[in-house]
Amino acid sequence: KQEVTQIPAALSVPEGENLVLNCSFTDSAIYNLQWFRQDPGKGLTSLLLIQSSQREQTSGRLNASLDKSSGRSTLYIAASQPGDSATYLCAVYTSGGSNYKLTFGKGTLLTVNP
Amino acid sequence: ETGVTQSPTHLIKTRGQQVTLRCSSQSGHNTVSWYQQALGQGPQFIFQYYREEENGRGNFPPRFSGLQFPNYSSELNVNALELDDSALYLCASSLEISGETQYFGPGTRLLVL
Repeated sequence: KQEVTQIPAALSVPEGENLVLNCSFTDSAIYNLQWFRQDPGKGLTSLLLIQSSQREQTSGRLNASLDKSSGRSTLYIAASQPGDSATYLCAVYTSGGSNYKLTFGKGTLLTVNP
Repeated sequence: ETGVTQSPTHLIKTRGQQVTLRCSSQSGHNTVSWYQQALGQGPQFIFQYYREEENGRGNFPPRFSGLQFPNYSSELNVNALELDDSALYLCASSLEISGETQYFGPGTRLLVL
């Protein structure tokens, strides 16, 4: 059974700091790994998708890496801003027979202080 | 904006009642998946529908059921509500069954008293 773990559970940093969020998964048979952002009480916003054959993806101040063999991914946020405050969720996309699904971690709650 | 909408946004029910949640996918998206997100947890896969048929289910009992319609709308039905069913329910649509990019709706917050 695939399990996804995110560390730390919560993180508070001053504005401008660079930071790293960690994600690990137990089964390396994944199609891709995705990072999402969730604001309080809201749905999910897709940030980055890394295919299983890729090592990293970048979008603006965000960079996500993937080491499939070790079951690890990191999300790097450069020059953090108060608007980055949210919960960040990591999810792996896998096949369970005929259906495909995302298995999520519990998320990292990020607070960026002005 | 993902183009996926859900209704209602919030709902309060009592234990034992039945509830129907609705999702409208992007036009042309043949696949819809439903997830349950309890407070402080990540979303958990409930089931997936592909071209109006259930195509896989997570670890949820049969009182969770769904429907998908030809007009790209879908429903999640929950019978005999329990307190633990209180959660944010998210639907996600994709172009095809193996469509890797899933587009999430804003969710329906269900509170069971």
